Amino acid sequence: AQKVTQAQTEISVVEKEDVTLDCVYETRDTTYYLFWYKQPPSGELVFLIRRNSFDEQNEISGRYSWNFQKSTSSFNFTITASQVVDSAVYFCALIPFSGGYNKLIFGAGTRLAVHP
Amino acid sequence: DTGVSQDPRHKITKRGQNVTFRCDPISEHNRLYWYRQTLGQGPEFLTYFQNEAQLEKSRLLSDRFSAERPKGSFSTLEIQRTEQGDSAMYLCASSASTGAGANVLTFGAGSRLTVL
Repeated sequence: AQKVTQAQTEISVVEKEDVTLDCVYETRDTTYYLFWYKQPPSGELVFLIRRNSFDEQNEISGRYSWNFQKSTSSFNFTITASQVVDSAVYFCALIPFSGGYNKLIFGAGTRLAVHP
Repeated sequence: DTGVSQDPRHKITKRGQNVTFRCDPISEHNRLYWYRQTLGQGPEFLTYFQNEAQLEKSRLLSDRFSAERPKGSFSTLEIQRTEQGDSAMYLCASSASTGAGANVLTFGAGSRLTVL
């Protein structure tokens, strides 16, 4: 099966709190890409990060960081010192190699609400 | 480049009518994708084109749905004899198939369909 599971449907935090969004994936492929997208209230999906299955290094970009662990098939996303502007729905997604990287498979998303 | 453009942004129609959505991808991108997103769910893959060739269609794409990309540039998605279950956001995305940005999908703002 090719599948992405985001078990957290909604998370609510107060500004400046750290928050981690969980993502677990399933794929029979050994070569794949993982992604995170943000969908703010305006509705347009915004690309955040792409990670190759061969690169397990964690990545940090400003207040955002990503933890990729192949052993647990997880690709978690942490926002440090959250801000109200981080309020959005966040999607984890997978593109498996089989079929030529032509289908991005999304999880159901996690709605993050950051309150002042 | 202004990104991926979709038209119309909103469409309200009566059951049984036909509707057509247009997508203009990023000009350098040779791949174009259609996704459908219903409330509270992640986007679901419908179909994709590489240049003008439609290379994969989801089982979600019933006989009432047809997509074209006649000259390998813009694409249209037509739904015939609309049903209330077709109400959703229809998202278009484009990507390159090679290079540093390969397989990173850039999404448009979507076309929201409401079938009464």
